[in-house]
Amino acid sequence: GAGVSQTPSNKVTEKGKYVELRCDPISGHTALYWYRQSLGQGPEFLIYFQGTGAADDSGLPNDRFFAVRPEGSVSTLKIQRTERGDSAVYLCASSTTPGVNEQYFGPGTRLTVT
Amino acid sequence: AQSVTQLDSHVSVSEGTPVLLRCNYSSSYSPSLFWYVQHPNKGLQLLLKYTSAATLVKGINGFEAEFKKSETSFHLTKPSAHMSDAAEYFCVVTATSGTYKYIFGTGTRLKVLA
Repeated sequence: GAGVSQTPSNKVTEKGKYVELRCDPISGHTALYWYRQSLGQGPEFLIYFQGTGAADDSGLPNDRFFAVRPEGSVSTLKIQRTERGDSAVYLCASSTTPGVNEQYFGPGTRLTVT
Repeated sequence: AQSVTQLDSHVSVSEGTPVLLRCNYSSSYSPSLFWYVQHPNKGLQLLLKYTSAATLVKGINGFEAEFKKSETSFHLTKPSAHMSDAAEYFCVVTATSGTYKYIFGTGTRLKVLA
């Protein structure tokens, strides 16, 4: 079956611009996570959705970052006034029953801020 | 709070020799532990998981890991390395309550020499 998909696969933007990154989870997965992986590091948690609501946004680095999941399926991570330090691979993962089943990861979106 | 420490950032082995990738964890709760593999420009793939059942866990591609509570370790092993095993490996811990977000180690890059 179809896995987690993320678009775009690559995004290059100028400092100060706004970007949106999209995640399409596996059908039927109610839990959705966003992570950020900087070069040479392990992924770091950003935000967790259970259904439509953000159950834990403690990993968002500042108020320039925001994410939505309006219908409990597709999620969009939004970054305002991008900075060069935002350059990273943004990973999305989904799961059926958190704590019971593992997370399935998408291929990621590589964001480069010039 | 949960955390994982991957003791080696790089490991090199010859093809056909055993692989050992080390991971120590810290968790206030009974943890769930995972190993994921990341091939270049590919998404994270689950190798195996421990969720408080058998302490010796078998995964895909001949990998296995043993949960040792007394040593707070979850080392990944494989009897015989193959060239295709060359990749980045991540040890992951998650609590068994709350959001079940993943806490990743910093990764171990495995190099397999012909």
